[in-house]
Amino acid sequence: QKEVEQNSGPLSVPEGAIASLNCTYSDRVSQSFFWYRQYSGKSPELIMSIYSNGDKEDGRFTAQLNKASQYVSLLIRDSQPSDSATYLCAVRYSNSGYALNFGKGTSLLVTP
Amino acid sequence: GAGVSQSPSNKVTEKGKDVELRCDPISGHTALYWYRQSLGQGLEFLIYFQGNSAPDKSGLPSDRFSAERTGGSVSTLTIQRTQQEDSAVYLCASSDGGWGTDTQYFGPGTRLTVL
Repeated sequence: QKEVEQNSGPLSVPEGAIASLNCTYSDRVSQSFFWYRQYSGKSPELIMSIYSNGDKEDGRFTAQLNKASQYVSLLIRDSQPSDSATYLCAVRYSNSGYALNFGKGTSLLVTP
Repeated sequence: GAGVSQSPSNKVTEKGKDVELRCDPISGHTALYWYRQSLGQGLEFLIYFQGNSAPDKSGLPSDRFSAERTGGSVSTLTIQRTQQEDSAVYLCASSDGGWGTDTQYFGPGTRLTVL
C-alpha cells in the first residue's frame, strides 16, 4: 500500500511569516511530486510540481524534494491570509500507472 | 482557455438509484482521470483514460461503478444502485499526455449526496 502522509494541521502562521508544509511518502519507486491548493468547497489547483532532488522556486513558493529521505515540502514565503487553504501533496509512482496518490492535506491558516 | 467542466455541480439521489456524472476535459488533452473526495478523506483515484488505450480501472471501488469516454473527449461516470457511502465529491481531471511529469488540471467537481 503506497502511502502519502501529511500532518492534517491546522498550521497557523502570522501574516508575513514562512509557512512550511511537509509530506512523506512510502515508496521509493516514485517519479513526480505535486502540491495542490484547495480552498473550501473548491477543486484542487496546482501550485508546484517537482521531479528532481533539490529546490524549485516559483514566486513565493519553494518546493523541496529529498528522495533519499522520501519527503517533499512546500515553503510559502511572506504568507498572506489569501494563502489560507488546504494543501494537498500528490505523488505519482512510476510503477502504478499515471494516477496521483494524494495525502489528506494540511490545513493552513494565515492570521492577519 | 476553457478549463475542465463537470455536470451537474450537485446531485441528490435516493439510495438504489443510478446516477451519471459528466466531464468535459480541456480541449486537446488526451488523458482523463476520475477521483472522488469523501468528507475528511484525501482524493481517491477511480479510473484513467489515455487516448484509445484500455482504461485503467484499478481504482473503481465496486462493479457498481463504471465509466466511458466517447470520441476521446467527454467522459461519463455511472454509479448504479447508489449507496450512502457513495456520497462524495467526484472530481474529473485532464492532462495533455498522461506521461511522467505531465500536470493534471481538475474540474469543479460534482457533489453527490445519496439519501
